[in-house]
Amino acid sequence: QVQLVESGGGVVQPGTSLRLSCAASGFTFSNYGMHWVRQAPGKGLEWVAFIYYDGSGQYYADSVKGRFAISRDNSKNTLFLQMDSLRADDTAVYYCASEYGDYGADNWGQGTLVNVSA
Amino acid sequence: HFVLTQPPSASGTPGQRVTMSCSASGSNLESNYVYWYQQVPGTAPRLLIFRNNQRPSGVPDRFSGSKSDTSASLAISGLRSEDEADYYCAAWDDSLTDYLFGTGTKVTVL
Repeated sequence: QVQLVESGGGVVQPGTSLRLSCAASGFTFSNYGMHWVRQAPGKGLEWVAFIYYDGSGQYYADSVKGRFAISRDNSKNTLFLQMDSLRADDTAVYYCASEYGDYGADNWGQGTLVNVSA
Repeated sequence: HFVLTQPPSASGTPGQRVTMSCSASGSNLESNYVYWYQQVPGTAPRLLIFRNNQRPSGVPDRFSGSKSDTSASLAISGLRSEDEADYYCAAWDDSLTDYLFGTGTKVTVL
């Protein structure tokens, strides 16, 4: 069955870095675009970044542009989010989600919590 | 600045029909697809509607989506207790480089 499993979250201090991973299984990962979406405690969904199925293009929300980098390794069926210069307002549950073409983000991981706190 | 605005709440009794809107400002929905996601608190979001009005397999036909140039709507007919959740619309902006979620609507089943 299709599965997305995020890892790498934790408690970090402001200004530091963290790298999230999303391991995919049960589908042809290299055919799917991938999103990172986050949700701060008690808040709504916020799109973070998207990468094309082949890694040829990446897009970012203005709130993370220049600080976060999305990448993927199709040989290892894994998506990454490198997060630098972390701030308190980056505290959230981070979800990865897959999307085939423009058919919507139809599979989501369970999320990993990032807590940026001094 | 592209913004998708949803009413904060909606409610109904079991069996009723509930609708919620998603209004766009700063960009036009005319040429871009709208998506709808359901999120039960404490769980990951679930895709309900893609390409304005299409349902993924497994989504009941009680859920339906529609779209005009400046807004979209999600309707839930035959409301059930398990429909109590947060609902988010989403769309790409005109440049197709910025994806946005709406502000979310909390649906309560009375």
